[in-house]
Amino acid sequence: QVQVQESGPGLVKPSETLSLTCTVSGGSISSYYWTWIRQPPGKGLEWIGRIYTSGSTNYNPSLKSRVTISVDTSKNQFSLKLSSVTAADTAVYYCARDLSSAFTWFDPWGQGTLVTVSS
Amino acid sequence: IQMTQSPSSLSASVGDRITITCRASQTIITYLNWYQQKPGKAPNLLIYAASSLQSGVPSRFSGSGSGTDFTLTISSLQPEDFATYYCQQSYSIPLTFGGGTKVEIK
Repeated sequence: QVQVQESGPGLVKPSETLSLTCTVSGGSISSYYWTWIRQPPGKGLEWIGRIYTSGSTNYNPSLKSRVTISVDTSKNQFSLKLSSVTAADTAVYYCARDLSSAFTWFDPWGQGTLVTVSS
Repeated sequence: IQMTQSPSSLSASVGDRITITCRASQTIITYLNWYQQKPGKAPNLLIYAASSLQSGVPSRFSGSGSGTDFTLTISSLQPEDFATYYCQQSYSIPLTFGGGTKVEIK
């Protein structure tokens, strides 16, 4: 049973770069898309972007200029970097498996990690 | 593609049949998924491809629809079903979610 788990700092200063890693266990990271989603406190879900194990990426245009998603297949991990953060980037960040390029869904999800942007 | 859910919240009793609606701003064929989220937890996949029940999900959950209009139905609400429900389209990038429907106890 594949599981995913987010890790990274829970506090980031304004204007700095948020960095998170998602570790995949119980199966190979290969041949799937892997996605990042966030949820501001008390609000809905926002898709950030995804990566295929070849390194091909898709990003949400609303965040594209600040987002980089990368993959390390040797470690069964993929990562998120979000630059120039502000308080509006405070959210629970989730990683999830994304079944395919289209006609896809997210399963499983990690438990989520709260990242607070504050000085 | 914008996804609009209605209602944004509803109150219901155990045993009730409830229906949540999700409307897409353009056709998404059947590229529509439903998730359940309980407080402090990650969302959990319930229904994929509009009407396919994810393994392990109780059969009281069902999904239907195609094109722009979709529904999630819970045939007999159970105590563990009180949660927030989200629809999500996978027809085009950016992948987008509805605003959520919070199901509360009456």
